[in-house]
Amino acid sequence: QSALTQPRSVSGSPGQSVTISCTGTSSDVGGYNYVSWYQQHPGKAPKLMIFDVSKRPSGVPDRFSGSKSGNTASLTISGLQAEDEADYYCCSYAGKYTFVFGTGTKVTVL
Amino acid sequence: EVQLVQSGAEVKKPGESLKISCKGSGYTFTSYWIGWVRQMPGKGLEWMGIIFAGDSDTRYSPSFQGQVTISADKSISTAYLQWNSLKASDTAIYYCARSDGVAPPVYWGQGTLVTVSS
Repeated sequence: QSALTQPRSVSGSPGQSVTISCTGTSSDVGGYNYVSWYQQHPGKAPKLMIFDVSKRPSGVPDRFSGSKSGNTASLTISGLQAEDEADYYCCSYAGKYTFVFGTGTKVTVL
Repeated sequence: EVQLVQSGAEVKKPGESLKISCKGSGYTFTSYWIGWVRQMPGKGLEWMGIIFAGDSDTRYSPSFQGQVTISADKSISTAYLQWNSLKASDTAIYYCARSDGVAPPVYWGQGTLVTVSS
C-alpha cells in the first residue's frame, strides 16, 4: 500500500480559500466513500475534520468542506483563519480492514 | 464521553522489548476496532494495524507485519502495541484510535512517545 499523494504545502491569506488534494487509486480513495481528513497542530493528536468524504463532525466549522472525484479527494478551507495553520492528512479505507494515510500537507496562513 | 488514554512516554535501549497500552472508556469496548498509527519525528502518519476488541481479529499493514504485535484485553478495555526487539528507527509517537472497521478513526488517544537510544 502506497501513501496517498498530497501537496507538500499550500498557503493563503486570511479570508481566502485553499484546497488540498489527496490522490490515491481505485483500491482506496476511488473504491470507497470512506475518506476522512485530519488536522494536526504541532505536538497535538490528529483531529477529525471531515469523514465519509464530505461530512463534518459536530463542532467543526462549516468553512471546512470535502469532496471526491474518481481517485482524488479534496479538502477546501474557505475563509482561511490564523488557527487553520496546521498539517492536514487525508485517510482512506483500503479494503480488508486496512487504511492508508496521505503524505500530509502543511497549510500556512500568510 | 469516548476516551482513549494511552500509557506514558518510554525510553528504551536497542534490543529491549516494550508494550504500550491504550485504555478505552465511555463506550462498549468490544463493539469497535482499535487501530495504531506511527508518527516518526517530523514525519507523517502511518497506519500500522487494527484489532477488533470483541474477538481480537487483527489486521496488519504490510509494512508492519512481523515487526510489532497488536493485542487486546477486553476484560480491562485495553489494547496493546508490542515490540520484541526495539530498534532506533522505532523512535516515534504512537497513537491509538477507534474505528468501526470501515470508516477511518474518529477518536484518538493522546499519543505515546517511544524513544529508542543507546
